[in-house]
Amino acid sequence: GIQVEQSPPDLILQEGANSTLRCNFSDSVNNLQWFHQNPWGQLINLFYIPSGTKQNGRLSATTVATERYSLLYISSSQTTDSGVYFCAVASGNSGGSNYKLTFGKGTLLTVNP
Amino acid sequence: SAVISQKPSRDICQRGTSLTIQCQVDSQVTMMFWYRQQPGQSLTLIATANQGSEATYESGFVIDKFPISRPNLTFSTLTVSNMSPEDSSIYLCSVGGDSSFDLGYEQYFGPGTRLTVT
Repeated sequence: GIQVEQSPPDLILQEGANSTLRCNFSDSVNNLQWFHQNPWGQLINLFYIPSGTKQNGRLSATTVATERYSLLYISSSQTTDSGVYFCAVASGNSGGSNYKLTFGKGTLLTVNP
Repeated sequence: SAVISQKPSRDICQRGTSLTIQCQVDSQVTMMFWYRQQPGQSLTLIATANQGSEATYESGFVIDKFPISRPNLTFSTLTVSNMSPEDSSIYLCSVGGDSSFDLGYEQYFGPGTRLTVT
């Protein structure tokens, strides 16, 4: 099956700092999503980004599908950004029995005041 | 997007018992999925819940241990059977991944059910 690798596994920042999280995947994919899991366990959708660049406030993401990687940028980090960031990629036929979203192991981000 | 609710939100169960988790979506969806997140780990797909037919299980997960029902396009249940402490996890329901019912290809997740088996 498809492999998804995220780096770094852990990241500690001071409030106000910028960071870049990386996601590498082993095969062509139908879509790619970034999620933030908050300390209460809720998975929050950040970006649906099979290719190209998107921005939402202090967060932006870029996926280069031909080179099989995606980057999540966090600028001017805040303590509320703390949590685990997951990259997930979809393979198989959309709506088909072989469709599957595979998660990376995540990046644990801690933002200190 | 879709609004997904799960019941119960958390439970503590004794080994050898079973727990049924419910997932309700506020709109009709084609694809529904069940995931498990063991403590400190990432999410792993258990199965795809198919409406009107048997669920499709991933390698390492079997119907006897994780029976799934999908009676209609807005509801599904996952049962964790004959539980052991190793089943202590967060179980999450998810929808999306196809373009039907105006959800697009994005997947959305419910709030999860936090299960502890003693």
